[in-house]
Amino acid sequence: SQKIEQNSEALNIQEGKTATLTCNYTNYSPAYLQWYRQDPGRGPVFLLLIRENEKEKRKERLKVTFDTTLKQSLFHITASQPADSATYLCALDLGRGSTLGRLYFGRGTQLTVWP
Amino acid sequence: EADIYQTPRYLVIGTGKKITLECSQTMGHDKMYWYQQDPGMELHLIHYSYGVNSTEKGDLSSESTVSRIRTEHFPLTLESARPSHTSQYLCATAGFGSPLHFGNGTRLTVT
Repeated sequence: SQKIEQNSEALNIQEGKTATLTCNYTNYSPAYLQWYRQDPGRGPVFLLLIRENEKEKRKERLKVTFDTTLKQSLFHITASQPADSATYLCALDLGRGSTLGRLYFGRGTQLTVWP
Repeated sequence: EADIYQTPRYLVIGTGKKITLECSQTMGHDKMYWYQQDPGMELHLIHYSYGVNSTEKGDLSSESTVSRIRTEHFPLTLESARPSHTSQYLCATAGFGSPLHFGNGTRLTVT
């Protein structure tokens, strides 16, 4: 069956450290992988997109890697701040034919950054 | 500023009532989506539209229906609400080759 698994437990780290979140998937062949941030009571907000032929993507303090052999993406937040505390969602975009633009989401990892 | 709006933000309603959740956007996007999310769980796609007069069911079976008469609006209707419909409903849009833009959702409670 198809699965998307993110860190099984919440992640708690100290301010200034690097947070690393994982996203593993089985029985999917995504053309794109996206990461979103979701705050309580709000809709998800897009952060980064990485294509299947890209190994790494960066945006300010964020870095995403994508390994299609391992079927895994890692999401890093460097120099983390309490304001980074949120739930982070991994989403797969199969990007082909009629499924273009439809995303399949993981359950998310709740990150807490403490001062 | 271009945005996506969902109303109401919260709705508590009794079993058997008909409800319509509104979603409107000023982004000019053709693609619109409805996702359902329970606490701590994945978002599941229940409906999507690639343009006016185009609607499709998503991956999660839902008793709701949608319409797309205008590009800007994508309302979701439940003819007879049940407690099993209690959930958060998120509307999203996407332009060509762009990621999803979400509204802040409607949290529905059916008593």
